Amino acid sequence: RKEVEQDPGPFNVPEGATVAFNCTYSNSASQSFFWYRQDCRKEPKLLMSVYSSGNEDGRFTAQLNRASQYISLLIRDSKLSDSATYLCVVNPRSSASKIIFGSGTRLSIRP
Amino acid sequence: NAGVTQTPKFQVLKTGQSMTLQCAQDMNHNSMYWYRQDPGMGLRLIYYSASEGTTDKGEVPNGYNVSRLNKREFSLRLESAAPSQTSVYFCASSEAPTGPQETQYFGPGTRLLVL
Repeated sequence: RKEVEQDPGPFNVPEGATVAFNCTYSNSASQSFFWYRQDCRKEPKLLMSVYSSGNEDGRFTAQLNRASQYISLLIRDSKLSDSATYLCVVNPRSSASKIIFGSGTRLSIRP
Repeated sequence: NAGVTQTPKFQVLKTGQSMTLQCAQDMNHNSMYWYRQDPGMGLRLIYYSASEGTTDKGEVPNGYNVSRLNKREFSLRLESAAPSQTSVYFCASSEAPTGPQETQYFGPGTRLLVL
């Protein structure tokens, strides 16, 4: 089993739809979690950190489920500009060398 | 602030050639990283520098060397390039390697093709 797994997609949804995807991790000692966004041929950029209690930033909601070892990202009222690849990042905080990036979920929003 | 900058943006090498990828950050971050990104593989850590004067191996260090020249600059060297090193290379920096300041900020990447 990969240490961090994401459904590669692509998720193809109409503008205005709600879309959610998960990321599962295998290391139960993982301490911090993030979602990054990566546009085509660009660098990853931090979208949001994921806190234990769940957190929201505008149309984006991130949740953590430690018992089942997954994090999720929910995007409401999706925009064309949300089309990108979303990477989940898991950090056990034991060492910088243990940070794991998922291979990403590709999202395409259609008009 | 420019953030994290990388040079060159693109490079084509022949097998056996050497080159150095340059990275600089102007955010006064302590930690810097080199990743490679291949299709379907996600980002994999090559080397990192938790603080000025230290470097450590990541997941895929073979065939690479690094130098933390000063707090701002962290270079990645390929001594004898191989086709398996064809990839997109990203440099990143963070205030600290772990803890509340661990958020990483990435440079624009270097696309390397080894023939």
